[in-house]
Amino acid sequence: SYELTQPPSVSVSPGQTASITCSGDKLGDKYVSWYQQKPGQSPVLVIYQDSKRPSGIPERFSGSNSGSTATLTISGTQAVDEADYYCQAWDSSTAIFGGGTKLTVL
Amino acid sequence: EVQLVESGGGLVKPGGSLRLSCAASGFTFSNAWMSWVRQAPGKGLEWVGRIKSKTDGGTTDYAAPVKGRFTISRDDSQNTLYLQMNSLKTEDTAVYYCGRGSYSGFDYWGQGTLVTVSS
Repeated sequence: SYELTQPPSVSVSPGQTASITCSGDKLGDKYVSWYQQKPGQSPVLVIYQDSKRPSGIPERFSGSNSGSTATLTISGTQAVDEADYYCQAWDSSTAIFGGGTKLTVL
Repeated sequence: EVQLVESGGGLVKPGGSLRLSCAASGFTFSNAWMSWVRQAPGKGLEWVGRIKSKTDGGTTDYAAPVKGRFTISRDDSQNTLYLQMNSLKTEDTAVYYCGRGSYSGFDYWGQGTLVTVSS
């Protein structure tokens, strides 16, 4: 079965750039979405179709996808960005989520 | 304003059944592909299954762990999505979310409803 692999944790200093990776076999051939989830809240879509931002998502969130790795980049990271982030793709008719990455802003 | 409100969660014994509902508003529900996604306590997100809009066939797809035990359905006249869960196992304990969308991501999520499977 298809798997998406994310690092369990990423740390970043305020104002710096955070990069969260998501890897999978030929992932670049699929569309990737990214979700932000804060404790006790529902997930929020922050990137879809690899690099598109939904309305209301700050410009500091961007995404890319090539080869076997998709990357979520947060430029000028703020304390409010501290959360769990999940990548997601479709394999045939099945949605697959990565294991999630806890972003710590310190 | 788009709203998705889940209900029906609770405590159920292993082997039991439960039906979850997701009431939708603020968009044309009949045109939407809808999914259920769950999250076990302290764990990550896990897709449960999806139902397409009737105009796209209304077909369903399921994750392997729930196939044959869970059934997704929809009532477009009531703007409601359902998840019928049978033969429940302790590992089905999770918060269950409904979400709108499909190949372009899940753009709206409900607040979730907790299902606890325990004797």
